[in-house]
Amino acid sequence: ETGVTQTPRHLVMGMTNKKSLKCEQHLGHNAMYWYKQSAKKPLELMFVYSLEERVENNSVPSRFSPECPNSSHLFLHLHTLQPEDSALYLCASSRKRGGPGEAFFGQGTRLTVV
Amino acid sequence: QQQVKQSPQSLIVQKGGIPIINCAYENTAFDYFPWYQQFPGKGPALLIAIRPDVSEKKEGRFTISFNKSAKQFSLHIMDSQPGDSATYFCAASSGGSQGNLIFGKGTKLSVKP
Repeated sequence: ETGVTQTPRHLVMGMTNKKSLKCEQHLGHNAMYWYKQSAKKPLELMFVYSLEERVENNSVPSRFSPECPNSSHLFLHLHTLQPEDSALYLCASSRKRGGPGEAFFGQGTRLTVV
Repeated sequence: QQQVKQSPQSLIVQKGGIPIINCAYENTAFDYFPWYQQFPGKGPALLIAIRPDVSEKKEGRFTISFNKSAKQFSLHIMDSQPGDSATYFCAASSGGSQGNLIFGKGTKLSVKP
């Protein structure tokens, strides 16, 4: 248990569906991240939130929409996804953005787009 | 452009062997180099990390060797055990506003009994 909880653990959705991934951290961290993990690719940073403000968006398609209502919660809203979006989506948190520091990861949501 | 190159992609060793995983980086502004361990069905977890002011760091059976001039660092696992079978990721980051972790592609390690 890392203190970062992601739900759901598994999600199958059609290309026309709308769904949301949820992440919650109980570590008192003020930076949160979404990563995409695909087979045989590096972990891809998608979004960074620092103190609830989005500070980075790494050219992610608009069909992925993040939301950070407070420093403990992070959402990733999904709509009209493509099969190539199937991957493990990982949430992480750290004490601060910028500067070295340990990032704690959740267990991920395994997303399959059919 | 891949900023952190990791090799090999997969590695099989016998129990008690010393697997070595290598990473090379390009950005000289990187000043923090962690290794993450990921078991199936789990998120990555920090294993060990090093800063460029030291050439080696050891924690239990895990050792990072760091070569600043060559811009390379490696993970050694002494007396490897089947329970060490996992995917290992190296990463790098720099301080300040560009401090996000950049990950390598990962190495799948299998330790045979």
